[in-house]
Amino acid sequence: DTEVTQTPKHLVMGMTNKKSLKCEQHMGHRAMYWYKQKAKKPPELMFVYSYEKLSINESVPSRFSPECPNSSLLNLHLHALQPEDSALYLCASSQERHPRAEAFFGQGTRLTVV
Amino acid sequence: GESVGLHLPTLSVQEGDNSIINCAYSNSASDYFIWYKQESGKGPQFIIDIRSNMDKRQGQRVTVLLNKTVKHLSLQIAATQPGDSAVYFCAETSSNTGKLIFGQGTTLQVKP
Repeated sequence: DTEVTQTPKHLVMGMTNKKSLKCEQHMGHRAMYWYKQKAKKPPELMFVYSYEKLSINESVPSRFSPECPNSSLLNLHLHALQPEDSALYLCASSQERHPRAEAFFGQGTRLTVV
Repeated sequence: GESVGLHLPTLSVQEGDNSIINCAYSNSASDYFIWYKQESGKGPQFIIDIRSNMDKRQGQRVTVLLNKTVKHLSLQIAATQPGDSAVYFCAETSSNTGKLIFGQGTTLQVKP
């Protein structure tokens, strides 16, 4: 199983809503990542977890709150988002933190903030 | 067909031709480079990687070339097929940062 599974695939939320994105992998990887990708742009790193601890936060606004409940799961909690936060949110995992290991990406959650 | 410059948004090639996608990377301390393929509606998919102590690595129908002097990376795809149509991203990372940073993508269009 070389899959990273993200749910939901699509999400529409209002600016006052609270929602969560979920990511799951069963490859035994100990590093997990959140990326944000706007249309026709490269993915931008948001957060890195290594051994279930947050190791990198790329100055992401606090309306995005990551959580790693266990080694297989990664969540991204969303609250009071803005329309400009609409994007594809990608989760990835790797055996260890970069650069030593190949990263596997999920299909992403297409988020629209209205 | 070949993309030139820092990045070319779209590269169009005939099926069966060879494709060359170019990328300029930014961090001279980067020690690991990866090419990803992203098809419409999907996440990036690993194609091939190369470490900074190498200048060439070959895979199945793909070759990556690294020129550290000018901080340039290229992906060569032999006998390009319609299934190769996608956006291709180069990415770099270093032991110092542990961050995987993506370059601007190139859209490859394969004409039958």
